Amino acid sequence: GAVVSQHPSWVICKSGTSVKIECRSLDFQATTMFWYRQFPKQSLMLMATSNEGSKATYEQGVEKDKFLINHASLTLSTLTVTSAHPEDSSFYICSARDRHRFSRAEYFGPGTRLTVT
Amino acid sequence: AQRVTQPEKLLSVFKGAPVELKCNYSYSGSPELFWYVQYSRQRLQLLLRHISRESIKGFTADLNKGETSFHLKKPFAQEEDSAMYYCALSGTSGSRLTFGEGTQLTVNP
Repeated sequence: GAVVSQHPSWVICKSGTSVKIECRSLDFQATTMFWYRQFPKQSLMLMATSNEGSKATYEQGVEKDKFLINHASLTLSTLTVTSAHPEDSSFYICSARDRHRFSRAEYFGPGTRLTVT
Repeated sequence: AQRVTQPEKLLSVFKGAPVELKCNYSYSGSPELFWYVQYSRQRLQLLLRHISRESIKGFTADLNKGETSFHLKKPFAQEEDSAMYYCALSGTSGSRLTFGEGTQLTVNP
């Protein structure tokens, strides 16, 4: 149980275009989802906390207008990278917290590799 | 503020040897502590949580509030244990996880 999927697993886009990444909790409901970036051989960097039915909370230094987050249902959150630039190339990972479990554990998706050319 | 420290970036042991991955934390309240593992080219997976007091794949971790530590231990390491291990902390309900920098464990044959 506690499976999280991400789509797409990898994407290549041209500079200036927008890309949407989906994060789904497949067998549980998640009122809270998280979006991270992971750089090679480094730990995860939290970008934002996505709350179902309300606005996302962004970490300091993360541009909310550039990284649009929508958490429209208890099983889906999306991250849209707008006007992408090469420096946005990265590995984006989402996680979700099971609303019915007592634990604050997060369950992670497999990640999405974004390359901006 | 909450912080997690994993003092060893790299740890190398031989198969069958005991292994201990260190994790220290700072948090003023009652945290929930976790160990996550990331095998090569795979997603981050939850390995252990302190509230469960379980043993997974032979690994155990005990929360020591006096020393503010949550070290991960296994008495006999296996080659398949080679992976990146992250210690993480969650503070109050709903708060984000704070991760350590990770320890790359290599188990040599």
